[in-house]
Amino acid sequence: SAVISQKPSRDICQRGTSLTIQCQVDSQVTMMFWYRQQPGQSLTLIATANQGSEATYESGFVIDKFPISRPNLTFSTLTVSNMSPEDSSIYLCSVEDLKWNYGYTFGSGTRLTVV
Amino acid sequence: AQTVTQSQPEMSVQEAETVTLSCTYDTSENNYYLFWYKQPPSRQMILVIRQEAYKQQNATENRFSVNFQKAAKSFSLKISDSQLGDTAMYFCAFMKWGGSEKLVFGKGTKLTVNP
Repeated sequence: SAVISQKPSRDICQRGTSLTIQCQVDSQVTMMFWYRQQPGQSLTLIATANQGSEATYESGFVIDKFPISRPNLTFSTLTVSNMSPEDSSIYLCSVEDLKWNYGYTFGSGTRLTVV
Repeated sequence: AQTVTQSQPEMSVQEAETVTLSCTYDTSENNYYLFWYKQPPSRQMILVIRQEAYKQQNATENRFSVNFQKAAKSFSLKISDSQLGDTAMYFCAFMKWGGSEKLVFGKGTKLTVNP
């Protein structure tokens, strides 16, 4: 399966600041997905990032708060902007793994704590 | 919109015994995929098993098997010969047919395997 390197693995940030999370994939992928997992909760899709086009955001998530870049077929970043304690969550990226038909591989997650 | 329901927030099982985790879903789609993912304390999302809706045969992967009842929209996971390393959160997930689609997750079941 594809291997995803996600950084940072964790961070503690001050409210009002921003954090950029990176995901690097060891193979070219068309779509990359960004999920949020709030404490004790399930995963919720934030947005889908397709190389060369604007990311598509799910209801309740906006580009100003969660800007995404997708400069090439192996890399994407998610920024959490103007953070508040409510943004404390695990953020995960995911890709469709074409080596394993219609399987999805996840990064190891970024545990964000906003104080 | 699709929804996934896991009605068991927590379960426990003795080592070497068998446990079944429940999942139901709601969709108007005829073709789709269903998944079980495992998330240990490390946060890594690990694919356990996958089922294509058009297949009548239940998927199996070593000690893991599913009971897929399409008409009832039920997709339970059976873990045989439970091991301490099976202790994790288990998420049931739905994906529309065709690839490059988002995963819709249930709220998860926390499974504890006791020695």
